[in-house]
Amino acid sequence: NAGVTQTPKFRVLKTGQSMTLLCAQDMNHEYMYWYRQDPGMGLRLIHYSVGEGTTAKGEVPDGYNVSRLKKQNFLLGLESAAPSQTSVYFCASSKGEEYEQYFGPGTRLTVT
Amino acid sequence: GEDVEQSLFLSVREGDSSVINCTYTDSSSTYLYWYKQEPGAGLQLLTYIFSNMDMKQDQRLTVLLNKKDKHLSLRIADTQTGDSAIYFCAESITPSKAAGNKLTFGGGTRVLVKP
Repeated sequence: NAGVTQTPKFRVLKTGQSMTLLCAQDMNHEYMYWYRQDPGMGLRLIHYSVGEGTTAKGEVPDGYNVSRLKKQNFLLGLESAAPSQTSVYFCASSKGEEYEQYFGPGTRLTVT
Repeated sequence: GEDVEQSLFLSVREGDSSVINCTYTDSSSTYLYWYKQEPGAGLQLLTYIFSNMDMKQDQRLTVLLNKKDKHLSLRIADTQTGDSAIYFCAESITPSKAAGNKLTFGGGTRVLVKP
């Protein structure tokens, strides 16, 4: 039981490049979330999903897209990376809306 | 709007108690949480409190909630070096099946435990 895993752990992109971050959970959780963490700030919600095939916008969705084609995976895409997207990205999942959110170890992304 | 604030840093001696404070602005918060983040790791839920409670105790952890002042605190008794980490408070308004549980986090308090 690996919990929540994120791929890759680190990535450096040039401005304008695209990439996809993968979040996978093996706990059969319905809900999945993508957050970004910037220095001195708390985590901010980018997008979330309340079940397979669903996605919704969070607090800071601009510049990102997501997909949840399979229940266990939640993908975060950057179509045209910008330096402002340099951050640490965390994925989380939960069994239900009132249950604990389990966090992955994070992906550190640098956009130059 | 929602806003959660915490002090940036706390230094404490091993064996002493630590108190980490948090203020929030949204009076309709349903749940309030404390998370711990160790270096290079994701967040780990430590404890949470329902908004209709004043206090919750869980082993070395005591959470106090003052709804009138919108103030939340986390007390760690007998602080150990393994408690050195960043602690985040977070609030959620009304979790729902349709909208999940959107958390609003404070900026985190870095706790350094000195031997």
